[in-house]
Amino acid sequence: SQTIHQWPATLVQPVGSPLSLECTVEGTSNPNLYWYRQAAGRGLQLLFYSVGIGQISSEVPQNLSASRPQDRQFILSSKKLLLSDSGFYLCAWSVHGREETQYFGPGTRLLVL
Amino acid sequence: SQKIEQNSEALNIQEGKTATLTCNYTNYSPAYLQWYRQDPGRGPVFLLLIRENEKEKRKERLKVTFDTTLKQSLFHITASQPADSATYLCALWWSSASKIIFGSGTRLSIRP
Repeated sequence: SQTIHQWPATLVQPVGSPLSLECTVEGTSNPNLYWYRQAAGRGLQLLFYSVGIGQISSEVPQNLSASRPQDRQFILSSKKLLLSDSGFYLCAWSVHGREETQYFGPGTRLLVL
Repeated sequence: SQKIEQNSEALNIQEGKTATLTCNYTNYSPAYLQWYRQDPGRGPVFLLLIRENEKEKRKERLKVTFDTTLKQSLFHITASQPADSATYLCALWWSSASKIIFGSGTRLSIRP
């Protein structure tokens, strides 16, 4: 069966520091991969999605970037964190051709101080 | 722009009763509408998907309806239990943009 991992689970970082969050998927090949951010009491905001290695689409202009170095690995990065980058970051995957249903990882809680 | 609203931020009901959550959308006719469950500090979990040509779908104690005229979906949990307490997210599939739009969720609490 398919499994999605995210790490770390929790992260506290100072303003201006770099960021790297990692997501990996097991048990499937060539998944679509997504990064979302969820602010407290708010809906999920799509940040990036990828349909294949090296193919990244950005949904909103921001301080973050994403990369997909391997088929089942998706990385969210920042060179310099802002206070507004705090939130709950979720990685998700879907099957090609079945993008309407997404399967989420456990999430990373990021607090920027 | 496409908008999706879940009318209640929070809903409190007695164990054993039926919980009904509402999802309304505007400016679009989605091909699919979905419901997800999210527990505190966890990622959402997919529950049910209903297509535009389906009026109703059931899964165990869950029932979803989809009224494309009213642009509304209702999500029912019958014989509710405290373990059903969670936030429930409605989501629609925006096919022309190939992405999902999520509502902000309804926090459901079932008291014993």
